[in-house]
Amino acid sequence: QVQLQESGPGLVKPSETLSLTCAVSGYSISSGYYWGWIRQPPGKGLEWIGSIYHSGSTYYNPSLKSRVTISVDTSKNQFSLKLSSVTAADTAVYYCARTIVGASGFDYWGQGTLVTVSS
Amino acid sequence: SYELTQPLSVSVALGQTARITCGGNNIGSKNVHWYQQKPGQAPVLVIYRDSNRPSGIPERFSGSNSGNTATLTISRAQAGDEADYYCQVWDSSTYVFGTGTKVTVL
Repeated sequence: QVQLQESGPGLVKPSETLSLTCAVSGYSISSGYYWGWIRQPPGKGLEWIGSIYHSGSTYYNPSLKSRVTISVDTSKNQFSLKLSSVTAADTAVYYCARTIVGASGFDYWGQGTLVTVSS
Repeated sequence: SYELTQPLSVSVALGQTARITCGGNNIGSKNVHWYQQKPGQAPVLVIYRDSNRPSGIPERFSGSNSGNTATLTISRAQAGDEADYYCQVWDSSTYVFGTGTKVTVL
């Protein structure tokens, strides 16, 4: 059973960098698939942030690309998100999930973690 | 950038059929995926590549895609189907989500 678990600070100050990690169990990241981040502001819809392959190949949402870095650590079977220069508009539930880019949807998701941007 | 438009809400009587549309320019040429999201929970993939159901998803959920509209159909609607539903496509190396539809079972 594939499981994903997000972790990281629940509160980030404006202008600082949001950092989250997604730990994967039940499947080796090195075996394939793309691994992505999706967010959902309170009461709003889903927004894809970006996805990464185990080789380090990435795709990013153009609207966030200048502020986003997604990396992978195959030795720990986890991948991470960094979002810089955050504002209140970045307050959201952040999900990590697994996909076959272009050919499939996100079939396994983490439970999500709420990150609030506030001083 | 590519946009996907969904109705804000759809109501369906218990046991009847709900149809949720997802509009996009020539969406029929793309693979469409659908998610169900209940309050406080992560989304669940209910249809992938237009009309395929993941393991564990009831046959009551079906999908179609043609022209400028993709459709998720929920047959014999149950109270447990009440949720938000999102469509999704891959376009120009970007994942795009629809605006979301709230389904109410009456």
